Amino acid sequence: QSVLTQPPSASGTPGQRVTISCSGSSSNIGSNYVYWYQQLPGTAPKLLIYSNNQRPSGVPDRFSGSKSGTSASLAISGLRSEDEADYYCAAWDDSLSGVVFGGGTKLTVL
Amino acid sequence: QVQLVQSGAEVKKPGASVKVSCKASGYTFTSYGISWVRQAPGQGLEWMGWISAYNGNTNYAQKLQGRVTMTTDTSTSTAYMELRSLRSDDTAVYYCARAVAVAGAEADYWGQGTLVTVSS
Repeated sequence: QSVLTQPPSASGTPGQRVTISCSGSSSNIGSNYVYWYQQLPGTAPKLLIYSNNQRPSGVPDRFSGSKSGTSASLAISGLRSEDEADYYCAAWDDSLSGVVFGGGTKLTVL
Repeated sequence: QVQLVQSGAEVKKPGASVKVSCKASGYTFTSYGISWVRQAPGQGLEWMGWISAYNGNTNYAQKLQGRVTMTTDTSTSTAYMELRSLRSDDTAVYYCARAVAVAGAEADYWGQGTLVTVSS
């Protein structure tokens, strides 16, 4: 059971906009930055969003992050086949004094 | 360019120990920390802990306290993660990642992963 809660799956057709939610608590999302990672099949995770809504260099602006209270969301617009991957949210947890991850959301591009 | 290159796959028996290495290049090693994250087959990501490459300070996940030790060798820009008393549920891909801060979830570059299989 993950500390952060994500839907196990999401899907969309090419060109669509999809959102992935991440729910936490006051000790993690509510008081710390949220990060999003993309993991393509068979590869290491890649940092997609940092500090709630910032994109590292090279990440397309089709990807955006937001946070409100104890929840966060990742939005992907103009969905492409290469976006098919697992997506994880993460945050520092003050109570656990460690990093917590969501269980991951498998995105399928139909 | 920043690179983290990990050691190769390992097969261990229950009760044994494993030590995974992570050699960094392309940046000043002591200016960042190294986080270790593992992923069991078909499962999600699990944070194991963090080590400062500057002073060796560590922060381990509560679940692994007493079984894990993280170290660094600044002369070779290499980080190590040792896990002892291995069990079958320690079978996973182990990743190292460059960590921007001690109390944060940001890891901006990752190693390729090391598969550790625990089996009798």
